[in-house]
Amino acid sequence: NAGVTQTPKFQVLKTGQSMTLQCAQDMNHEYMSWYRQDPGMGLRLIHYSVGAGITDQGEVPNGYNVSRSTTEDFPLRLLSAAPSQTSVYFCASSYEASYDTQYFGPGTRLLVL
Amino acid sequence: AQKVTQAQTEISVVEKEDVTLDCVYETRDTTYYLFWYKQPPSGELVFLIRRNSFDEQNEISGRYSWNFQKSTSSFNFTITASQVVDSAVYFCALSDLSNFGNEKLTFGTGTRLTIIP
Repeated sequence: NAGVTQTPKFQVLKTGQSMTLQCAQDMNHEYMSWYRQDPGMGLRLIHYSVGAGITDQGEVPNGYNVSRSTTEDFPLRLLSAAPSQTSVYFCASSYEASYDTQYFGPGTRLLVL
Repeated sequence: AQKVTQAQTEISVVEKEDVTLDCVYETRDTTYYLFWYKQPPSGELVFLIRRNSFDEQNEISGRYSWNFQKSTSSFNFTITASQVVDSAVYFCALSDLSNFGNEKLTFGTGTRLTIIP
């Protein structure tokens, strides 16, 4: 099993550009989520999904969109990148819910100029 | 609303010393789960432990131990005989079941632990 994979590992964007961060898992997990990690702020939940076709907002959803068309994939879209979105992004998955053990991807480091 | 506080931003200890990382949580729910994750300098997040609110037994795993006290809403993590490889950022996290079907995991801000050789 590859576990949770994320692409790209590193990305530089200009303000206003759009991009999609990819996340995939091969563990047949129902629950998937996106976090951003900023210095001194821990990990903050952006969006999450409890199964294919179902998504919901987390703590800091503004500026991000998600969709869950399959169990395996949970892409995160930045519609119009802003410098405030410079961060490290982690995707996670778990068997069924947030109270199950979360398995994290390796992260994507995003720099918005 | 659930909240996790890790008041210790940074800790430095000399190798072989014991060190305790504090975690205080807030929740209105009686059923909840607590976690600790380790983030070494390489950046990945490594799962350490998951504990539910009905199990107050302390847990020991090698040099790691966890002290769960519901009376003080704390879930502290102790490393015995610390080693340089323990240098990392450690996160405590909480998920309660107050919003059934829409549960969320909340992280503390983390404690950066540096072990000095």
